[in-house]
Amino acid sequence: DAGITQSPRHKVTETGTPVTLRCHQTENHRYMYWYRQDPGHGLRLIHYSYGVKDTDKGEVSDGYSVSRSKTEDFLLTLESATSSQTSVYFCAISESMQANYGYTFGSGTRLTVV
Amino acid sequence: GNSVTQMEGPVTLSEEAFLTINCTYTATGYPSLFWYVQYPGEGLQLLLKATKADDKGSNKGFEATYRKETTSFHLEKGSVQVSDSAVYFCALSGQGAQKLVFGQGTRLTINP
Repeated sequence: DAGITQSPRHKVTETGTPVTLRCHQTENHRYMYWYRQDPGHGLRLIHYSYGVKDTDKGEVSDGYSVSRSKTEDFLLTLESATSSQTSVYFCAISESMQANYGYTFGSGTRLTVV
Repeated sequence: GNSVTQMEGPVTLSEEAFLTINCTYTATGYPSLFWYVQYPGEGLQLLLKATKADDKGSNKGFEATYRKETTSFHLEKGSVQVSDSAVYFCALSGQGAQKLVFGQGTRLTINP
């Protein structure tokens, strides 16, 4: 999507290794979110950020950490990847905490942990 | 807590058929309701939304009406096209500007 990019798009990693996914935005939006998408579960919120250095946990945060040192970048780190973290990860941004303003989603990162 | 339940998929229809994808929700107060669409290999895009009871959201021929009495927000389209093949997600944000909660998604395939 224009204004939001995720990298890498695809990654295969081994169990026990650390992995960092990057979300970069050019919209100067304050709010950023990391979701994971799994069959039968839809999208579940991992972590979110409401400003530089301000982050909070979502419903499935165990095994994940995040950092936001600049407005435009929101990093998701898997401290020690496990097979249960194989998923498609989506970043989203919004200009307001009011969800009815709508979120803009990135194209996703497909992560496979072997 | 807040939750969304969508009809089980996948759904397969022929072109020009009528589409309904059911969505019901559980939430306190007056949530806002959304439908997002995900085309193959892409992220989610907002399709339509409704922010209060009896509101109708519409876009690209799709419609959904916020029914508080039945806690539902069913997605409808009168005549689907092959290009409508995608995964559709119902979502809500709770009263007080809460974060989005998604249903499990419904995969729709339209055959020519």
